Amino acid sequence: DQQVKQNSPSLSVQEGRISILNCDYTNSMFDYFLWYKKYPAEGPTFLISISSIKDKNEDGRFTVFLNKSAKHLSLHIVPSQPGDSAVYFCAARMGFQFYFGTGTSLTVIP
Amino acid sequence: SAVISQKPSRDICQRGTSLTIQCQVDSQVTMMFWYRQQPGQSLTLIATANQGSEATYESGFVIDKFPISRPNLTFSTLTVSNMSPEDSSIYLCSVEVGGNQPQHFGDGTRLSIL
Repeated sequence: DQQVKQNSPSLSVQEGRISILNCDYTNSMFDYFLWYKKYPAEGPTFLISISSIKDKNEDGRFTVFLNKSAKHLSLHIVPSQPGDSAVYFCAARMGFQFYFGTGTSLTVIP
Repeated sequence: SAVISQKPSRDICQRGTSLTIQCQVDSQVTMMFWYRQQPGQSLTLIATANQGSEATYESGFVIDKFPISRPNLTFSTLTVSNMSPEDSSIYLCSVEVGGNQPQHFGDGTRLSIL
């Protein structure tokens, strides 16, 4: 049973525009949410996180939004750059265990 | 954060053999984790390895198939035993450096079984 879902396997965006990656979850007990970025042949790299007590966290070009009532998480990247092209995983934590989505492959077109 | 070195980075193995994957961290950590990522799938937790205790396996994973060692606070190994083509995956180790902190990952071991 997939508790964290990324329904879009891929996304293409023009350089300079906004990229919006979405994630849905089913378990209201998750208390911490994260986004990871993964390049080919590398492990996932932590990007940004948000606690369940907040609804927004911003770090430079990256902003994560949390809508607990909808059990929905999103990552906004603005402006998008070609170097942002990677697979993005959302993750949610319960206890010490992290649950990952299946990833969204973002392509930023120059 | 932590720097995690994982070896080997990739391997091609014969059916029925075993492979041991090593994970070295540059600082002492309490909790280390082993994940599997099958093609097109999310990361699935295999087991949690704490130093000084037996690894805790998730549903669907057993110690006979995936024995784990955790001899100290900076090192762990995962063995994939009696391999079959279904074990072809990327295997990743990760560490948690503290409460309310993200897990940090090694670069993974890409395993192919012929």
